[in-house]
Amino acid sequence: DSGVTQTPKHLITATGQRVTLRCSPRSGDLSVYWYQQSLDQGLQFLIQYYNGEERAKGNILERFSAQQFPDLHSELNLSSLELGDSALYFCASSVASAGELFFGEGSRLTVL
Amino acid sequence: LAKTTQPISMDSYEGQEVNITCSHNNIATNDYITWYQQFPSQGPRFIIQGYKTKVTNEVASLFIPADRKSSTLSLPRVSLSDTAVYYCLVGETYNFNKFYFGSGTKLNVKP
Repeated sequence: DSGVTQTPKHLITATGQRVTLRCSPRSGDLSVYWYQQSLDQGLQFLIQYYNGEERAKGNILERFSAQQFPDLHSELNLSSLELGDSALYFCASSVASAGELFFGEGSRLTVL
Repeated sequence: LAKTTQPISMDSYEGQEVNITCSHNNIATNDYITWYQQFPSQGPRFIIQGYKTKVTNEVASLFIPADRKSSTLSLPRVSLSDTAVYYCLVGETYNFNKFYFGSGTKLNVKP
């Protein structure tokens, strides 16, 4: 158990819909990262937050957005969903803005 | 951010030592080398990190030559449960802002 909690574990929705994925980082970790992993693909970095502020942005689509709240949990919002958005979405946390990453178990999104 | 190159896949047998090499020709002075392991449908897990020469922990060893343009993850006496994807990352320890994982090396351990 990494200490990072992601909900929901599984989510099935339809094209055009909007979903929110939630991540609670390890206690004490200030930094949260979001990754997307499509079937048999590598991990694509989406975005990083550090203590409530966006720190780095990767290949995140404009239809996707994220935020980190004062209690340090984070949410990833995916809108106007397309079939290609079906993937595992991982959240990771770390103490500072780097260092060892601790990953959650992921949220598996299926868009039908 | 230093780009890394790893073999796409490797095969091994139980009990053998496995060495996975990562090339990072553009590594910067402040960059560290970190390896992660990922099992199917699970998040990656930190294995080991090093800056130069050799680092060893209970799971693996990391060998880094003097020029630091490559690194080798060594897994002693692998078992079937070591079948996973292994990722090499290079960046400043306190500035891994974008933590790019690349495609990794898929290790298949056979009985």
